[in-house]
Amino acid sequence: EDKVVQSPLSLVVHEGDTVTLNCSYEVTNFRSLLWYKQEKKAPTFLFMLTSSGIEKKSGRLSSILDKKELFSILNITATQTGDSAVYLCAVELRGSARQLTFGSGTQLTVLP
Amino acid sequence: DGGITQSPKYLFRKEGQNVTLSCEQNLNHDAMYWYRQDPGQGLRLIYYSQIVNDFQKGDIAEGYSVSREKKESFPLTVTSAQKNPTAFYLCASSHQGGTQYFGPGTRLTVL
Repeated sequence: EDKVVQSPLSLVVHEGDTVTLNCSYEVTNFRSLLWYKQEKKAPTFLFMLTSSGIEKKSGRLSSILDKKELFSILNITATQTGDSAVYLCAVELRGSARQLTFGSGTQLTVLP
Repeated sequence: DGGITQSPKYLFRKEGQNVTLSCEQNLNHDAMYWYRQDPGQGLRLIYYSQIVNDFQKGDIAEGYSVSREKKESFPLTVTSAQKNPTAFYLCASSHQGGTQYFGPGTRLTVL
């Protein structure tokens, strides 16, 4: 059975801290790994990772994939209260349907 | 305005009633998806459709039905056979081979 596990389940930090969110996976027919940010409603797309060791960066957020050890991390530096959200990791499977298998998410709370 | 819309935002129904959730997109995406999200859990795939007039079951299709008569529309019916229908329902769409983008969701509460 395909499985995506995120840790920690929840995290509380203060503004300015740096956080690292983890995502490990066991799936057949891996194609890519995606990170989404969910603030109460629709998940918004952050990154898609397909190759090992290549960091993707967007402002204070960055992510990297390790296909040998089957995990990815999402880093957020200099956190702000607006970063408070659930961060979802999903693995995309090969095949025409491009199905996503999601982890349960990490609830990040950034205190002022 | 381009995007994915879902309606209604909140829906209350009595046990035993069927209810239909709307999902529309004007992005000209071929593929559309329905997910269910329960508190503290990730998204689980209910149904997906890659082209008009064709759809496949996801991981938790029991108690749900869909149709795809038009490219822009992918309504989801939650039937009385669904044992625990109270949840947050998310619709997504994508180009073939592209990233999935999500609608704002419908929160269904069955009383």
